[in-house]
This record gives sequence, C-alpha cells and structure tokens, in this order.
Amino acid sequence: NAGVTQTPKFQVLKTGQSMTLQCAQDMNHEYMSWYRQDPGMGLRLIHYSVGAGITDQGEVPNGYNVSRSTTEDFPLRLLSAAPSQTSVYFCASSYGGGPETQYFGPGTRLLVL
Amino acid sequence: AQKVTQAQTEISVVEKEDVTLDCVYETRDTTYYLFWYKQPPSGELVFLIRRNSFDEQNEISGRYSWNFQKSTSSFNFTITASQVVDSAVYFCALTGSSNTGKLIFGQGTTLQVKP
Repeated sequence: NAGVTQTPKFQVLKTGQSMTLQCAQDMNHEYMSWYRQDPGMGLRLIHYSVGAGITDQGEVPNGYNVSRSTTEDFPLRLLSAAPSQTSVYFCASSYGGGPETQYFGPGTRLLVL
Repeated sequence: AQKVTQAQTEISVVEKEDVTLDCVYETRDTTYYLFWYKQPPSGELVFLIRRNSFDEQNEISGRYSWNFQKSTSSFNFTITASQVVDSAVYFCALTGSSNTGKLIFGQGTTLQVKP
C-alpha cells in the first residue's frame, strides 16, 4: 500500500491564481480530511469527508473547496489564492470518523506570493 | 469547546537525558481520545499513540512512555535516554464524541536532542 499520497510536494502561486491539491489513499478509508499547518498554531482542520459524496467544513474552511467523488480521492481546491493561504497542507484518512487513528500524507508546501 | 495546550514551545536536551513533553486538554465530552504525533525534520506526521478516556493505564513502548491523568486533564509523553533521532516536533491531539473524527491539535513542542 502506498498509504496517503499528496501532490504536488511544493507549489508557488501568485495571488489570485487557482490550483488543486491532490490527495489519494489506497487503504479503502471512508474518512478523509485536510489540515493546514502554520508556525506556532499546530494543525487546523479545513474540510473533511465521511464518505464519497459527503463533505463538511472544519475550523478554517474559507477560501477552500472540496469534493469527494470517489472513496480514494479528496482534492482541495483554492479558487483564488491569497498570501494568507501560504502554509503546509496535510491530507489524512482513517477507517471511520470516530476515534480511529488518522494517517497523514507527506504534505504539500504552498507559497502564495 | 475543545482545546489542547502544549505549553513548552521548544525543549533542548543532551543525548541520554530523559525528557517529558506536556499536554493539557479541555473537553466537556465524557468519551474522548488523545493522540501523539511526531513530525521529524523531513516533515511527515507519524502516529505514536492513541488513548481513550476510559483507559487511564500508562503506556510504555521502548523508550517512550505516556502518562494519562484525567484528574489533571493531562496526557504527558516521556522519552527515556533521548537520542538525536528523537529530534522532532511533537503534537498532542484530541477528538471527542461531540466532534468525532475532527482532531484538535496543540501548538506542538520542538524537541532538540544534542549529541
């Protein structure tokens, strides 16, 4: 199993550009989520999904869109990038949305100029 | 609201010293789960342990041990005989029955182990 994979590893955007961060998992996990990591703030939940076709907002959803058309994939879209979205983004998955351990991808480092 | 506090921003020790990383949490849920993750310099997040609110037994895994005390809302992590490879950022996280699956992270503690 590849586990949770994320692409790209690093991306530079200009303000106003759009892009999609890709996340995929091959563990047949129902639950997937996106977090952002900023210095001194730990990780904060952006959006999550409890299964294909079902998504919901986390703590910091503004400026981000998600969809879940398959169990395996959970892309994160930035429609109009802002410097405040400069961060490291982590995707995670788990068997369920309860206490099951979430396993994280390697992260995507995003710089918005 | 749930909250996790890791008051130690940075800790520096010399190899072979023991070190304890503190984690204090707040929740109104009676059922909740606590986690520790390690983030080495390479950047990935590595799961270390999960503990549920009904199990207050301490856990030991090699040089790692965890002390869970509901009375003080703490879930502290001790590394015995630290090694340079233990240098990383360590995160404590919480999820409960009121926000199941949504991890609330502490700010993280950066541990530097010097040779």
